[in-house]
Amino acid sequence: AQSVTQLDSQVPVFEEAPVELRCNYSSSVSVYLFWYVQYPNQGLQLLLKYLSGSTLVKGINGFEAEFNKSQTSFHLRKPSVHISDTAEYFCAVRRIQGAQKLVFGQGTRLTINP
Amino acid sequence: GAGVSQSPSNKVTEKGKDVELRCDPISGHTALYWYRQSLGQGLEFLIYFQGNSAPDKSGLPSDRFSAERTGGSVSTLTIQRTQQEDSAVYLCASSSYTTFLAELTYEQYFGPGTRLTVT
Repeated sequence: AQSVTQLDSQVPVFEEAPVELRCNYSSSVSVYLFWYVQYPNQGLQLLLKYLSGSTLVKGINGFEAEFNKSQTSFHLRKPSVHISDTAEYFCAVRRIQGAQKLVFGQGTRLTINP
Repeated sequence: GAGVSQSPSNKVTEKGKDVELRCDPISGHTALYWYRQSLGQGLEFLIYFQGNSAPDKSGLPSDRFSAERTGGSVSTLTIQRTQQEDSAVYLCASSSYTTFLAELTYEQYFGPGTRLTVT
C-alpha cells in the first residue's frame, strides 16, 4: 500500500517570500508523484508531476518540486509567492503498474499575507 | 475544450433518502474515477472505471454506495439510505492516454465536485 504525509497542515507566508511545502511518501513499489492545487470552491488542478528522468520538475504558476528517492520526498517550492497562490495543496502518488487510483496526503493550506 | 462536469453542484438531502450524483467526463477519456473529500478523512478514492467496467471498487465505504458507467461516458454514483457521515464533496476525475518519453501515463482531470449535505 501507499501512503503520503504532508508535514504541515497550514503554512502562512508573506507575499513575495519563498515557500516550501513538504511531502513524504511510503510505497513498496515504484510510483508516480503529483502535486495538485485546490482553489476555494473549485476542483483539483494538476500543478506538476514526476514520472521519470530529471528529479527537478517544473509546473504551472512558477512552482517546482524535487523528487528525492533516498528520502522518499517530493517537496514543492516557489521562490516568490503571490496573493493568488492562496489555496490548498495536495501531494499524491500513483502506482506505475497496477492500481490507477491516486493516494493523497491530507493537504497543506497555504495562506499568503500582504 | 470542455472539462469534467458534475451535477448537481450542491445537494441537501434528509437522512435515509437516496441520492444520485452525476459525472460527465472529458470526451474520449476512457478512465473515470470517483473520490470523496471530507474534513475528517481528507481525499479518498472510491471507485475506478475503465470503459464500463469497474476493476477497482476497493474504496466504496459500504454496500449503500454503488456506481455505474454507461456507454463509456457518463457515470452515476448512488448513495442509498444516506447517513450524516456521507456528507462530503464528491469529486469525479477522468483520464486517457498521454505519451511521455514513449511511456503511456494517465493524468487525472478533476471536476468541480458535488457538495452533499445530509441533514
